[in-house]
Amino acid sequence: TQLLEQSPQFLSIQEGENLTVYCNSSSVFSSLQWYRQEPGEGPVLLVTVVTGGEVKKLKRLTFQFGDARKDSSLHITAAQPGDTGLYLCAGPDSTGTASKLTFGTGTRLQVTL
Amino acid sequence: NAGVMQNPRHLVRRRGQEARLRCSPMKGHSHVYWYRQLPEEGLKFMVYLQKENIIDESGMPKERFSAEFPKEGPSILRIQQVVRGDSAAYFCASSPIQATNEKLFFGSGTQLSVL
Repeated sequence: TQLLEQSPQFLSIQEGENLTVYCNSSSVFSSLQWYRQEPGEGPVLLVTVVTGGEVKKLKRLTFQFGDARKDSSLHITAAQPGDTGLYLCAGPDSTGTASKLTFGTGTRLQVTL
Repeated sequence: NAGVMQNPRHLVRRRGQEARLRCSPMKGHSHVYWYRQLPEEGLKFMVYLQKENIIDESGMPKERFSAEFPKEGPSILRIQQVVRGDSAAYFCASSPIQATNEKLFFGSGTQLSVL
């Protein structure tokens, strides 16, 4: 069974601060995805990383896939209240299809003024 | 261009009743996935369907749960004789082809509460 552990579980910071959240596994994933989920809504895909060592940027968000494709990180620069939400990493099962995504337990981020 | 539509948004059932959750995929999408999110837990895969076919139901409990995606109409997730442990948010996602690294589009979910 492939497991994805995310840390920290909860993070409360002030506007303008930087933060990093982590997604770790003992298994190798062919790719990893990051989602943001707001209360009462479904997850929305932010990015997919595919190549070990890959770095992708989405405005103030920087995503990195570990060289061994077992871990990933999400760094947010100058956080804003609009970044508040549940951040989930997810990876396809060992067959490589997204039909059975394994999700991490998430990092709940709160950004206050 | 409507996204994935799920209804109802909230469903309250008493123990022993049946729950029917509906999902209309995005226009042009023929692949539907159901996930369940229990309180304080991550999303768990339940079932993957194409039109009129169940492709993978390995994440769905063997008893009381069933899913269908008929030729016409929405996909239905049906839970018979609900118990309190079924209380969760149920999310449907769709994709135009079998998703590999492609984007899954999630609906807003149905929050099921069993009294």
